[in-house]
Amino acid sequence: QKEVEQNSGPLSVPEGAIASLNCTYSDRGSQSFFWYRQYSGKSPELIMFIYSNGDKEDGRFTAQLNKASQYVSLLIRDSQPSDSATYLCAVTQRGNTGFQKLVFGTGTRLLVSP
Amino acid sequence: DAGVIQSPRHEVTEMGQEVTLRCKPISGHDYLFWYRQTMMRGLELLIYFNNNVPIDDSGMPEDRFSAKMPNASFSTLKIQPSEPRDSAVYFCASSLSGTGVLYGYTFGSGTRLTVV
Repeated sequence: QKEVEQNSGPLSVPEGAIASLNCTYSDRGSQSFFWYRQYSGKSPELIMFIYSNGDKEDGRFTAQLNKASQYVSLLIRDSQPSDSATYLCAVTQRGNTGFQKLVFGTGTRLLVSP
Repeated sequence: DAGVIQSPRHEVTEMGQEVTLRCKPISGHDYLFWYRQTMMRGLELLIYFNNNVPIDDSGMPEDRFSAKMPNASFSTLKIQPSEPRDSAVYFCASSLSGTGVLYGYTFGSGTRLTVV
């Protein structure tokens, strides 16, 4: 089982619709959860983070966390063509040394059509 | 804030040559990470440092890879000798931790390495 799993997509949605991106993780000890956006040929860019169960909203983005189900999601409302990118889910994991690191999923490609 | 600075942006080298990638983290950040990204494997963590000390290098694929962080503002990733399968985009990222919580990383713009 992969540590962080995402559907590779592509997820295609029309402009103005809600895009829903999902992620599951295997380590129950994970404490912090992040969503990164990566445009083709660019570096990942942090767009949301969440630490507690429930929802966290920031503009058109809502992150949802359910630790019992080991599930994280990202909702993008009023999707725009400029949202077309790969979205990476990342979770913290405490290594054998006791220090934390981020483990990334392979990403979901989102395509928003005009 | 200039962000995380990586150099070079692109590197093309011949198999067997030594390659050195450089990274300057954000001032004040206490974590530094080196990742490799390929289409097949996504983002793979190679090694990370906390306060300039290597913490976990279990992701370094082979002895041909080495990394150093001589001070808080500079790190290098070296591949010697390079092989075509090392071709990838190499990212450096830095982060600030607080009360045991790791905040999100800031990534550099990456180095696209091509080994021919």
